[in-house]
Amino acid sequence: QSALTQPPSASGSPGQSVTISCTGTSSGIGGYDSVSWYQQHPGKAPKLMIYEVSKRPSGVPDRFSGSKSGNTASLTVSGLQAEDEADYYCSSYAGSNWVFGGGTKLTVL
Amino acid sequence: QVTLRESGPALVKPTQTLTLTCTFSGFSLSTSGMCVGWIRQPPGKALEWLALIDWDDDKYYTTSLKTRLTVSKDTSKNQVVLTMTNMDPVDTGTYYCARISSGYTHGFDYWGQGTLVTVSS
Repeated sequence: QSALTQPPSASGSPGQSVTISCTGTSSGIGGYDSVSWYQQHPGKAPKLMIYEVSKRPSGVPDRFSGSKSGNTASLTVSGLQAEDEADYYCSSYAGSNWVFGGGTKLTVL
Repeated sequence: QVTLRESGPALVKPTQTLTLTCTFSGFSLSTSGMCVGWIRQPPGKALEWLALIDWDDDKYYTTSLKTRLTVSKDTSKNQVVLTMTNMDPVDTGTYYCARISSGYTHGFDYWGQGTLVTVSS
């Protein structure tokens, strides 16, 4: 299974919105509503932010939202805050396999 | 309260077999929909899914490492064990175990803190 493709970096100023893309294949992202997004601060374990494309676990701010169009999923962070600066990884379940993206480093300017 | 904790050797020699144990609490791996997976992260690099075992004892492995990996569970001890044979320096990284709670599509909602494994002679 191939890794999902993410931009290596993204940035935005406090209060702005930023969107991170995640591109897969028709048999992966395109075939299942099973995209997840994880936030990882340096030296910490990843934290689930979005699952099943657009659902937020309890406790995740509604500033974080997810969507999908075809083979590309997206994570949007609205109202950027300093604590949002982290690495973000997308992941997809594709029938007996889980695959992660290469990660996007989000910088809050 | 759900917790997971990885344990195992911090240093292994090339060609040796790595055995990692994930000890968890706050849930039962015999509950329908429950899974525990293993994910690793080389220093400064991306996450890589390795293996997963589910409530029904079904096991899944990443294709590229399938011949080297074995995952098993001991429900009575609340433990999941991952073995990886023929370790190589490129296998150096932090190894995490993580839970899926409501079926395969729900994402890994709880993670251990990770354990750093270095492969070196």
